Amino acid sequence: GAGVSQSPRYKVAKRGQDVALRCDPISGHVSLFWYQQALGQGPEFLTYFQNEAQLDKSGLPSDRFFAERPEGSVSTLKIQRTQQEDSAVYLCASRTGQISYNEQFFGPGTRLTVL
Amino acid sequence: AQSVTQLDSQVPVFEEAPVELRCNYSSSVSVYLFWYVQYPNQGLQLLLKYLSGSTLVKGINGFEAEFNKSQTSFHLRKPSVHISDTAEYFCAVSDSGTYKYIFGTGTRLKVLA
Repeated sequence: GAGVSQSPRYKVAKRGQDVALRCDPISGHVSLFWYQQALGQGPEFLTYFQNEAQLDKSGLPSDRFFAERPEGSVSTLKIQRTQQEDSAVYLCASRTGQISYNEQFFGPGTRLTVL
Repeated sequence: AQSVTQLDSQVPVFEEAPVELRCNYSSSVSVYLFWYVQYPNQGLQLLLKYLSGSTLVKGINGFEAEFNKSQTSFHLRKPSVHISDTAEYFCAVSDSGTYKYIFGTGTRLKVLA
């Protein structure tokens, strides 16, 4: 069965450009998470969706970051006017339900480099 | 707020030797604990998890971890490592009743021939 997929795998942007990162979760998974992983660090929570509802966006670093999941499946993380500090790997994870002990399944990530 | 500490950023070990990767978390009434492995250019894969019950948890690839509530630790062990175990290992914690994982900064395990 297919796992979580993310595209593109690598993205190079010039400072000030807008980028859009896509996540295809495992089919039927209700919960979807976005994490930011800076070089040499662990993943840090950005935002959480339950179906199409964005229940928590407390980890988004600024109002330049925006995420959506309009039909409760595919999600897009958009970063406007990218800055060098946005350079990181962006991980998407999905989970079958809302219960915190259920395993999160991670995608391979999108490595964003802002020049 | 919950936090996770992985004191060792890098652990070199010779092939077939035992290894322990340390993880400590801040105290909470009830937590769920996880170890994930990340191979180069891949996503995180679950090794094992502690939810409740037996404090010794066995996972995939011969790894195990022991939950110690009094020391707020969840150290990962393997009695004999292989070259293929070279990867980054992340400890994560989730308070029961919440949906968030809090990750440690990771430990890079390098297995030497």
